[in-house]
Amino acid sequence: GNSVTQMEGPVTLSEEAFLTINCTYTATGYPSLFWYVQYPGEGLQLLLKATKADDKGSNKGFEATYRKETTSFHLEKGSVQVSDSAVYFCAPLHSGNTPLVFGKGTRLSVIA
Amino acid sequence: DTGVSQDPRHKITKRGQNVTFRCDPISEHNRLYWYRQTLGQGPEFLTYFQNEAQLEKSRLLSDRFSAERPKGSFSTLEIQRTEQGDSAMYLCASSLESGAGNTIYFGEGSWLTVV
Repeated sequence: GNSVTQMEGPVTLSEEAFLTINCTYTATGYPSLFWYVQYPGEGLQLLLKATKADDKGSNKGFEATYRKETTSFHLEKGSVQVSDSAVYFCAPLHSGNTPLVFGKGTRLSVIA
Repeated sequence: DTGVSQDPRHKITKRGQNVTFRCDPISEHNRLYWYRQTLGQGPEFLTYFQNEAQLEKSRLLSDRFSAERPKGSFSTLEIQRTEQGDSAMYLCASSLESGAGNTIYFGEGSWLTVV
């Protein structure tokens, strides 16, 4: 089945620092890949997605590229803000009937 | 499009009582999912429906848990004889199953505290 490995958190950065959160996955076939963000006390919000190899998803300054050869979907942002403090989840989704599988997520804290 | 809505947002109940959560998916979404999330963990899959059919249930879904989606629209998740270990956030999500790349949209969650 599908599974995902994310870098352990928490990650603490200063405002305007560069962010990378690593994500590697295992899945049968060629899954779609998603990053979700969860702010304190809230549900998950879709941040970005990519549906095929070499696709780049982007949103709110965040980017991630679907790398089939390394089965990775690392999240990056060039300059983080305090408002980016949240928990980030990477999740693969096969086009079959299996639901999204989540890891523990990576908590990001950005300090001013 | 009003998004996935869940009710109630917060519920405090005494151990042994029954609780029910409701989820209204995005209209015309044929798939509906339930997840459970405890503090510091990622969401854990519980069950999902395609239209009114319950297609998969996790081993996490003990006999005390039951989910329904009688008309293929809203869904309910009932927990009977609640235990303290049931304290968690219960997340509902929905999607339109139409091939690869379907995005799953989550609601704000229903927090359950069992005292």
